[in-house]
Amino acid sequence: SQKIEQNSEALNIQEGKTATLTCNYTNYSPAYLQWYRQDPGRGPVFLLLIRENEKEKRKERLKVTFDTTLKQSLFHITASQPADSATYLCALDMAGAGSYQLTFGKGTKLSVIP
Amino acid sequence: ETGVTQTPRHLVMGMTNKKSLKCEQHLGHNAMYWYKQSAKKPLELMFVYSLEERVENNSVPSRFSPECPNSSHLFLHLHTLQPEDSALYLCASSEAGGLGNTDTQYFGPGTRLTVL
Repeated sequence: SQKIEQNSEALNIQEGKTATLTCNYTNYSPAYLQWYRQDPGRGPVFLLLIRENEKEKRKERLKVTFDTTLKQSLFHITASQPADSATYLCALDMAGAGSYQLTFGKGTKLSVIP
Repeated sequence: ETGVTQTPRHLVMGMTNKKSLKCEQHLGHNAMYWYKQSAKKPLELMFVYSLEERVENNSVPSRFSPECPNSSHLFLHLHTLQPEDSALYLCASSEAGGLGNTDTQYFGPGTRLTVL
């Protein structure tokens, strides 16, 4: 069956370092992959989208890579700050290429320590 | 903040009660979604509406009943719930342009539901 794994439930990192979060998937080839941020008690907020034909996408201190051979996406936050502490979710269109239904991973809770 | 509002934000109900969750989106989107989020589990898609028609029902128990009267409003009617239904219920909307569309979803703040 199709599966999404964010292989760290929690990640602690020192302020100023680069945080790297991983999203792996199996048995599917998504047309795109999205990353969301979720703060406690709130809904997820969209951060970045990367398509299957793109290797890398950047937005300010955020960088996402997408390796369709490894079936993996990496999400990097450079020069991390305590305000970056949140749960980060990856999501794929597992229902079908270009469909509008996303399947989410469990998320990685990032804590940036001052 | 995100253009999607949900009420109430918190709800406590007994197993015999009937209640409704409300979602409204101000983004002009065509698709709306209900998700359930339980601790330590990924977001579970419950229902999808596109242009006010239900297009997906992921084997959700009949004690959850959605209603989409127009493209801006979505309801989730609850009756005879179980304690294991306690969770954060999230509403989302997207443009939903069909094949090839990379639908970014915009979420509301959620309703924290506790079933006693």
